[in-house]
Amino acid sequence: EVQLVESGGGLVQPGGSLRLSCTASGFTFSRYSMNWVRQAPGKGLEWVSFIGGSGTDIYYADSVEGRFTISRDNAKNSLYLQMNSLRDEDTAVFFCARRLCTNGVCHFDYWGQGTLVTVSS
Amino acid sequence: DIQMTQSPSSVSASVGDRVTITCRASQDIRGWVAWYQQKPGRAPKLLIYAASSLQSGVPPRFSGSGSGTDFTLTISSLQPEDFATYYCQQPNSFPLTFGGGTKVEIK
Repeated sequence: EVQLVESGGGLVQPGGSLRLSCTASGFTFSRYSMNWVRQAPGKGLEWVSFIGGSGTDIYYADSVEGRFTISRDNAKNSLYLQMNSLRDEDTAVFFCARRLCTNGVCHFDYWGQGTLVTVSS
Repeated sequence: DIQMTQSPSSVSASVGDRVTITCRASQDIRGWVAWYQQKPGRAPKLLIYAASSLQSGVPPRFSGSGSGTDFTLTISSLQPEDFATYYCQQPNSFPLTFGGGTKVEIK
């Protein structure tokens, strides 16, 4: 059974840092690209970042470029998001999601339960 | 960037109703659309991928159609467990983008 479990959320002051983790099980982690998606309270879904299976292909949303860093450790079946210079508007539930591409068409087939990040003084 | 515009933002419907949600892409994205269902406090769940392919385990009352810039999610006969928020997504071209969501509420 595929499982994705996020951790590392919490309360942080503006300008602070936080590192999120997503631990995967039930599939060969290195064969899949992974993403972070966030959802501010009462708002819609916002894609944050992508990392390819080998870790070499990386993309970010403009809203986090230069402040957030995505990484992975395939030996530990883990995905990470290092978040620096946090702002009030980064307050959200952060989900990790597996991206599956078949014949050039992609989708997010599995999601974690999310971890809440609150940025407030 | 490819913008995904969903409509309506909310719809009130009764059990047994047919519900249609539309999603328009700002440029031609062929058949690269996925649809997700999200219930309060829960993670999104994949319903449809590649515009019209039903994810395993999803009831056949859900269907998707469209190509190019215009896409549709249809629930043929709304069930109590379908009251939720639905999102379209273009998952192929970076930055990946979601529609704003459609909340399906009880009438």
